Amino acid sequence: DAGVIQSPRHEVTEMGQEVTLRCKPISGHDYLFWYRQTMMRGLELLIYFNNNVPIDDSGMPEDRFSAKMPNASFSTLKIQPSEPRDSAVYFCASSWGRGQAFFGQGTRLTVV
Amino acid sequence: ILNVEQSPQSLHVQEGDSTNFTCSFPSSNFYALHWYRWETAKSPEALFVMTLNGDEKKKGRISATLNTKEGYSYLYIKGSQPEDSATYLCAEDTGRRALTFGSGTRLQVQP
Repeated sequence: DAGVIQSPRHEVTEMGQEVTLRCKPISGHDYLFWYRQTMMRGLELLIYFNNNVPIDDSGMPEDRFSAKMPNASFSTLKIQPSEPRDSAVYFCASSWGRGQAFFGQGTRLTVV
Repeated sequence: ILNVEQSPQSLHVQEGDSTNFTCSFPSSNFYALHWYRWETAKSPEALFVMTLNGDEKKKGRISATLNTKEGYSYLYIKGSQPEDSATYLCAEDTGRRALTFGSGTRLQVQP
């Protein structure tokens, strides 16, 4: 398996634009997590899914953020409209059960 | 303890030194404790997942212990090498809340 795949690796966008981050989890994994990494807050859990169902989205900063998992092999994190303070590295991770999580390479988002 | 806390924030040691870090976590609603190793410009990589009080895990020169009653875990590195330089993260799984990460301990091993 190629591991957790995220795209794009880098995204630069203008304030107010919509941004969509994509994640393909490891095949067979039933948990998928979205994290955001910033200097100030470290690695924060935004939302996670179990069997494609959102379980806990209490970490999603505000209504501008939304996440979907239409099937077991794909998830998106959308920010609309984007703001400069959303600039961060966004990680997707997946796991089988509540075992070790495997992280993707991350998407570095810069909002100017 | 309300959050997952790690100490020290950073550590500089000489090659060959042994070292250890601490992870403290709320002990109520505990499900599992994870340790990850995070090298610069890479993604976090799992080291251990521990669930039982008194658990001890070992991978090469790295080992970890778990005390769920008092809410702490120790990570030990024996005979540190420059390639051990990384940020070591612990994360608590409380069941519903999934993995909540500490801010990490940044280890720098000088040759």
